[in-house]
Amino acid sequence: GESVGLHLPTLSVQEGDNSIINCAYSNSASDYFIWYKQESGKGPQFIIDIRSNMDKRQGQRVTVLLNKTVKHLSLQIAATQPGDSAVYFCAENIGSYKLIFGSGTRLLVRP
Amino acid sequence: KAGVTQTPRYLIKTRGQQVTLSCSPISGHRSVSWYQQTPGQGLQFLFEYFSETQRNKGNFPGRFSGRQFSNSRSEMNVSTLELGDSALYLCASSLKGPSYEQYFGPGTRLTVT
Repeated sequence: GESVGLHLPTLSVQEGDNSIINCAYSNSASDYFIWYKQESGKGPQFIIDIRSNMDKRQGQRVTVLLNKTVKHLSLQIAATQPGDSAVYFCAENIGSYKLIFGSGTRLLVRP
Repeated sequence: KAGVTQTPRYLIKTRGQQVTLSCSPISGHRSVSWYQQTPGQGLQFLFEYFSETQRNKGNFPGRFSGRQFSNSRSEMNVSTLELGDSALYLCASSLKGPSYEQYFGPGTRLTVT
């Protein structure tokens, strides 16, 4: 199977602070990007998406930024809460009817 | 609206056996994708179906197969199970395909002994 990474970096933030989770995507032809949140024992949960014709998109407490020049995606979470603790995945679609997932980042929220 | 459902949630099989996993998409969704998730390899794409047609397949051996029915429900089958097939198998559905909002089910945890 396709390998999308073996290591899981961890981001530790204080409750109430803002969190920024970064993702480098692989294909300059990718036209659609998604962020997912996965809690232990559950399937990934859709957070927010963005298409390649946009640079920024905001949701409730979350913002996704897309920098196509350096193939970089970021997820910003405002006022991070304990319930935000999870593994976050970015995924890209290159129009081939499949998503390619990043290796994930574990977010730990300190009380 | 009900979410994506997968059955069974947990399964224990022996090497050499075969297994069939089922996925019911969100009502109205016609695209179903399957992924394998393991701690070492992360989330890997298995295949995607739309209106009973497989549109893409990941780099998995032929022991992994799937199908989609006219009501958009999907099944995947793994034959001649190997220890390395132990994983969380996730199904996701969307209206038109992976370039639209895709929602995941809770997964089926397969353990091969």
